[in-house]
Amino acid sequence: IAGITQAPTSQILAAGRRMTLRCTQDMRHNAMYWYRQDLGLGLRLIHYSNTAGTTGKGEVPDGYSVSRANTDDFPLTLASAVPSQTSVYFCASPPEQYFGPGTRLTVT
Amino acid sequence: AQRVTQPEKLLSVFKGAPVELKCNYSYSGSPELFWYVQYSRQRLQLLLRHISRESIKGFTADLNKGETSFHLKKPFAQEEDSAMYYCALASRANSKLTFGKGITLSVRP
Repeated sequence: IAGITQAPTSQILAAGRRMTLRCTQDMRHNAMYWYRQDLGLGLRLIHYSNTAGTTGKGEVPDGYSVSRANTDDFPLTLASAVPSQTSVYFCASPPEQYFGPGTRLTVT
Repeated sequence: AQRVTQPEKLLSVFKGAPVELKCNYSYSGSPELFWYVQYSRQRLQLLLRHISRESIKGFTADLNKGETSFHLKKPFAQEEDSAMYYCALASRANSKLTFGKGITLSVRP
């Protein structure tokens, strides 16, 4: 592993289902972020974590939850998916603001 | 509150033409400004950050505090420059980025 990896690459999900997007980094960075990318809206911060064991809400946190049990992993969970959560999700980590490859999620 | 404005959604130019992608920001302190590029269906890549004052792939951007702008410029566009470009701002207190809505640059042959 080099940098940030995300899984799955893409997913089609039925509304109401639970889904966890995975993000793993091997850079030992303290901070990690989740953004969603929507055409015409740019990227918006969902949740963040400044260090293992702590998390915080970003600009659009509703419907999402995160955990940070260790430095490397920062999963994003949709407890009950809705169509408005159809988006491309990027995990990122400073200080170089390195982004993962993204997860394309479609909620039907 | 911090805000980044990219006033245009699309810029289409011919190869060899100059390019200027506009970015204005609103922030009460001293911000860090960035430009990111996203080629088709790829991850975002950091293109420039204002503190490094470097030129990447022929692109430059100068922070103008008086006009609160950080426009991205390239004197001669290439077809491979076609991509989505995002301007972003981070406060010095934390690294969370606030993004503009992005602009699609299309360079025609």
